[in-house]
Amino acid sequence: QQQVKQSPQSLIVQKGGISIINCAYENTAFDYFPWYQQFPGKGPALLIAIRPDVSEKKEGRFTISFNKSAKQFSLHIMDSQPGDSATYFCAASPLAAGNNRKLIWGLGTSLAVNP
Amino acid sequence: DAGITQSPRHKVTETGTPVTLRCHQTENHRYMYWYRQDPGHGLRLIHYSYGVKDTDKGEVSDGYSVSRSKTEDFLLTLESATSSQTSVYFCAISGLQDEQYFGPGTRLTVT
Repeated sequence: QQQVKQSPQSLIVQKGGISIINCAYENTAFDYFPWYQQFPGKGPALLIAIRPDVSEKKEGRFTISFNKSAKQFSLHIMDSQPGDSATYFCAASPLAAGNNRKLIWGLGTSLAVNP
Repeated sequence: DAGITQSPRHKVTETGTPVTLRCHQTENHRYMYWYRQDPGHGLRLIHYSYGVKDTDKGEVSDGYSVSRSKTEDFLLTLESATSSQTSVYFCAISGLQDEQYFGPGTRLTVT
């Protein structure tokens, strides 16, 4: 059972455009929502993360929008660049005992930004 | 890669042989994780550790065991490798904060 559903599976955007990737979750106990970026042959790298006490978080060209009532969160990449071409994963987790976090992952979105 | 190394980076082995993958960190982080990544399945947690000699199962732990005898090292062992265990394996670490940092991965092929 996929607890975090990510869409679209793949996305093609023109340089300078906005890339939008969406995730939906089911477990209301989730309280931490990170996005990871992965280039071919590399490990995932944390891009940006949000907690449910805020509806939006922005870091440079990357913004997370969070809708707690709809149990959805999305990644917006403004002014998309060819260097942003990568696979993006959303994840979510509840806070477990001992401050441990077992992330539940979406299946990823392959983003291609055309020059 | 946040002071995380994985070895070997690539390995080809035969069905039925034991395989051990090593994750080494220099960050002194408490938590360490082993994931596998497969097309269509994303990242799936195999095992994790919350301290020396303290480990627990993830969602796909069958056929895998782990050990952590030192803070900096987390070993993943495939007792008897099968073709279904062909995958890319990632180690991750996290400390007192929520962020998990990933190693460069090990590509394992079981023939």
